[in-house]
Amino acid sequence: GEDVEQSLFLSVREGDSSVINCTYTDSSSTYLYWYKQEPGAGLQLLTYIFSNMDMKQDQRLTVLLNKKDKHLSLRIADTQTGDSAIYFCAETPDNYGQNFVFGPGTRLSVLP
Amino acid sequence: KAGVTQTPRYLIKTRGQQVTLSCSPISGHRSVSWYQQTPGQGLQFLFEYFSETQRNKGNFPGRFSGRQFSNSRSEMNVSTLELGDSALYLCASSVLGRGRRTQYFGPGTRLTVL
Repeated sequence: GEDVEQSLFLSVREGDSSVINCTYTDSSSTYLYWYKQEPGAGLQLLTYIFSNMDMKQDQRLTVLLNKKDKHLSLRIADTQTGDSAIYFCAETPDNYGQNFVFGPGTRLSVLP
Repeated sequence: KAGVTQTPRYLIKTRGQQVTLSCSPISGHRSVSWYQQTPGQGLQFLFEYFSETQRNKGNFPGRFSGRQFSNSRSEMNVSTLELGDSALYLCASSVLGRGRRTQYFGPGTRLTVL
């Protein structure tokens, strides 16, 4: 079955880069997503990557996809205290008719 | 465009009661999915509705049910509440079809069962 794994915690210093990693199991996933959840809030879409891409950059965010190893990462450059949140990666096993599968989330703490 | 809205935002109930949560999707979105989020289990998929029909269902007991109206608004109902039902319930809407299907989430309803 589908399974998405992430490390649960990450701490970085303000101004450093953060790298959040994710592994997934379903090779048929067409799109992979990163969501951010701040305390008491719902999930906010950060970015997504199509499975035929290796990399996608969006301002401070860089997504890297290694489809062979089923490994996805999110790099946040110049991490700020406002980036402190839980980050979820999600796969869609099929782009039509299937629900999203979310990882457990990585809690990013940004230290001043 | 207005985002996904959920009402109420907070709810306190006692064991054995039932509860109904509401979700209004983004205008034009016909798919609504519901998730339960707890510290122990993370985000778990409850069910998805499209055009008033349940398309997918997660592994939850029959006490959890939902429906969708012709205007795409959705409700979920939990009967005979248990302490373990305390959670953040999130709804997400999307445009279904071939290609990228991004889910947009509401702020959630925090349910506390005493």
